Amino acid sequence: DVKVTQSSRYLVKRTGEKVFLECVQDMDHENMFWYRQDPGLGLRLIYFSYDVKMKEKGDIPEGYSVSREKKERFSLILESASTNQTSMYLCASSDFSGLEVRIAFFGQGTRLTVV
Amino acid sequence: EDKVVQSPLSLVVHEGDTVTLNCSYEVTNFRSLLWYKQEKKAPTFLFMLTSSGIEKKSGRLSSILDKKELSSILNITATQTGDSAIYLCAVNRGSTLGRLYFGRGTQLTVWP
Repeated sequence: DVKVTQSSRYLVKRTGEKVFLECVQDMDHENMFWYRQDPGLGLRLIYFSYDVKMKEKGDIPEGYSVSREKKERFSLILESASTNQTSMYLCASSDFSGLEVRIAFFGQGTRLTVV
Repeated sequence: EDKVVQSPLSLVVHEGDTVTLNCSYEVTNFRSLLWYKQEKKAPTFLFMLTSSGIEKKSGRLSSILDKKELSSILNITATQTGDSAIYLCAVNRGSTLGRLYFGRGTQLTVWP
């Protein structure tokens, strides 16, 4: 079974803190994604990566950065956490071959609260 | 701008009812449409529909892709309380490095 593991289920941080959300996948997938999910807004893409050290901005990258030093690990960084970043964060991975899409598998989510 | 729209946004039914969830899309270079079920945690994959596979079925769940109408439906027959979840529709475009475009989801609640 594909496994995508996020380092924390629940996290509480203070405003202004630097926050790291970690995601690891065990299926050698090329693509990895970070989404945030808010009630009524669905899943919005923050950043994604299609290879080691490669990254692309999604729809809402402001206030976030990412790091992909190894193929299996994709980190989301909140440089200076703010209360409007309180949300559910979901990591996903998929493989990708040419123009064929593969199924994205999700981690269990990290519910981040910024106080 | 690419769009994926799901309807209804929420739905409340009783056990045993049949429900139909809708997803319409306006994207360039469409490749596939995926349905996910999300309970209190991670979305789990249900179906993927493509030009070569426009109908899928698994137990009480089935889905059809209508490429002419640019839409898909997800049917659930004989609903059970365990079907209560958010159902997410996502579309993949070609040449976008595998990213998915999600709708806002349909919150389904099944009462006993």
